[in-house]
Amino acid sequence: EPEVTQTPSHQVTQMGQEVILRCVPISNHLYFYWYRQILGQKVEFLVSFYNNEISEKSEIFDDQFSVERPDGSNFTLKIRSTKLEDSAMYFCASSGPNRLANEQFFGPGTRLTVL
Amino acid sequence: GEDVEQSLFLSVREGDSSVINCTYTDSSSTYLYWYKQEPGAGLQLLTYIFSNMDMKQDQRLTVLLNKKDKHLSLRIADTQTGDSAIYFCAEEGANNLFFGTGTRLTVIP
Repeated sequence: EPEVTQTPSHQVTQMGQEVILRCVPISNHLYFYWYRQILGQKVEFLVSFYNNEISEKSEIFDDQFSVERPDGSNFTLKIRSTKLEDSAMYFCASSGPNRLANEQFFGPGTRLTVL
Repeated sequence: GEDVEQSLFLSVREGDSSVINCTYTDSSSTYLYWYKQEPGAGLQLLTYIFSNMDMKQDQRLTVLLNKKDKHLSLRIADTQTGDSAIYFCAEEGANNLFFGTGTRLTVIP
């Protein structure tokens, strides 16, 4: 069964460093998302991406964040200068051409720890 | 803005029914969802309900929707140890989902 994959599973970085979190969505999907979950808090929407551009973003997704689909398979989230409060689990999701029920398929997440 | 609330923990004995509750704020959601997260895994869609329905049954799962009270529940019949996980309620935005904190279900053998 096709699935969304994410790498790495755990990333540790120093405050101020740039990180790139990688995702491979399901191959025929057209809509891509990033969410994050700070420990003990809600899963929060960051950004959605369709047709090579951002379709919606939340207030969390400020100028420090960017997304890219550099080729036909990867979808990346870049944090330019990480802060302590960026420590969270980051989930990538994708949904298919039929969005009747907006079913989003999630990856296993990347745990980002900023020291 | 949208807000989705759930209780954090629920413990049940194996074989009993589990009921996980959720309240939401956005009455314009077309669909409401239940996702399950097992340890080390991503969120997996369990079931969803169209906002015009008040009940949906899928094998051991029953979803009840009270639109007037903006209350959604997930009932798991004959709960098994494999059902131990975190369950997230979600309502939809224009291009995204709004999740609750998740309810950690622990099934006691």
